[in-house]
Amino acid sequence: DIQLTQSPSFLSASVGDRVTITCRASQGISSYLAWYQQKPGKAPKLLIYAASTLQSGVPSRFSGGGSGTEFTLTINSLQPEDFATYYCQHLNSYLTFGGGTKVEIK
Amino acid sequence: QVQLVQSGPEVKRPGASVKVSCKTAGYTFTSYGISWVRQAPGQGLEWMAWISVYNGDTNYAQNLQDRVTMTTDTSTSTAYMELRSLRSDDTATYYCARIWLVAAGYYLEYWGQGTLVTVSS
Repeated sequence: DIQLTQSPSFLSASVGDRVTITCRASQGISSYLAWYQQKPGKAPKLLIYAASTLQSGVPSRFSGGGSGTEFTLTINSLQPEDFATYYCQHLNSYLTFGGGTKVEIK
Repeated sequence: QVQLVQSGPEVKRPGASVKVSCKTAGYTFTSYGISWVRQAPGQGLEWMAWISVYNGDTNYAQNLQDRVTMTTDTSTSTAYMELRSLRSDDTATYYCARIWLVAAGYYLEYWGQGTLVTVSS
């Protein structure tokens, strides 16, 4: 099975910062990767799919990149509403999530 | 608009079973798969299973395949997840989500609101 490893697991940042989260796959998955944002008590929300395509309605300060085994989620100019936990995800026969990255206010 | 509405919270004894429903609306039910994901308190997301509503194909996480069953009722556009032989570590919020096939990949585009299942003696 494919494993997804996110880093860091915890990130402390300030409003206006640029932050980058990494997701590494245990084997090549082309560009078949998504990123989700989850706020406490809420269901996850799809932000980016196919590694770099922004889901409709998602602010352009979010961007995704990478292919193969290494992927990134970048948030430019962090806003107060961006403080949340972020997960990467891949699905072939089995669906896999990364362990999550919690972005907290410094 | 697309909606996935899940059944309410449940409290179960260890060894019991629970069946959570996910009623969908706003799209053609048989055109998309459904996946179930759970999240224990303070923990990350754990995939449980997916089902192709079109042909009934299923796939289950290996650690749950002996205890979980996914079904659908196309007459009511509802998906179900049944988990048997409940243990305390099954306490979690359970989510259903619609699987979206795009650009040759599969992603979870729409989610239910979540159902808290508490297992306690």
